[in-house]
Amino acid sequence: ETGVTQSPTHLIKTRGQQVTLRCSSQSGHNTVSWYQQALGQGPQFIFQYYREEENGRGNFPPRFSGLQFPNYSSELNVNALELDDSALYLCASSLPSGGAEQYFGPGTRLTVT
Amino acid sequence: EDQVTQSPEALRLQEGESSSLNCSYTVSGLRGLFWYRQDPGKGPEFLFTLYSAGEEKEKERLKATLTKKESFLHITAPKPEDSATYLCAVRLTTDSWGKFQFGAGTQVVVTP
Repeated sequence: ETGVTQSPTHLIKTRGQQVTLRCSSQSGHNTVSWYQQALGQGPQFIFQYYREEENGRGNFPPRFSGLQFPNYSSELNVNALELDDSALYLCASSLPSGGAEQYFGPGTRLTVT
Repeated sequence: EDQVTQSPEALRLQEGESSSLNCSYTVSGLRGLFWYRQDPGKGPEFLFTLYSAGEEKEKERLKATLTKKESFLHITAPKPEDSATYLCAVRLTTDSWGKFQFGAGTQVVVTP
């Protein structure tokens, strides 16, 4: 069974640029969620995708957007990067059951300068 | 407003010194409470799911319990490899699939 994978591992971008982060779900999982984790904080929910549609969103501006593909892999896109976007971005996959646990990937460390 | 609060923020233990971490929550509807372990710079690793008050789960030196207002993660006779940040999260019933809301975590350091 393949776990959740994310790419790239690290990324350095300049303020105002755009970035795309990628995630492959754990085998059999069709629900993907993205989180932002600042240093010393718990993960903050960005949004969730199920069957290629966004079905939940946290308090993040529209410049954070996503996609889910038919193979359940996913992308997180962030436009007009700001310094405060520097964080660990985590992808988690799960079964669609409301009480199902989520399994996390290793994360992408984004640094905005 | 839904809130998840973990205490203490940090805990330093001697090897073999048992202790407990607390996760208190005030939410409108709970679909499940989850414990994760996170090593520095890595993604959280799933430990336990608890669904109803009175439920307990165990794994090696860890035991999680749940009441109507809080959950405890008990670490019995910890070893240095138990050093990590422990996160709790609640899954809410307020939307169709229930988003996860995390606490800030408790950083545990176990010294030999």
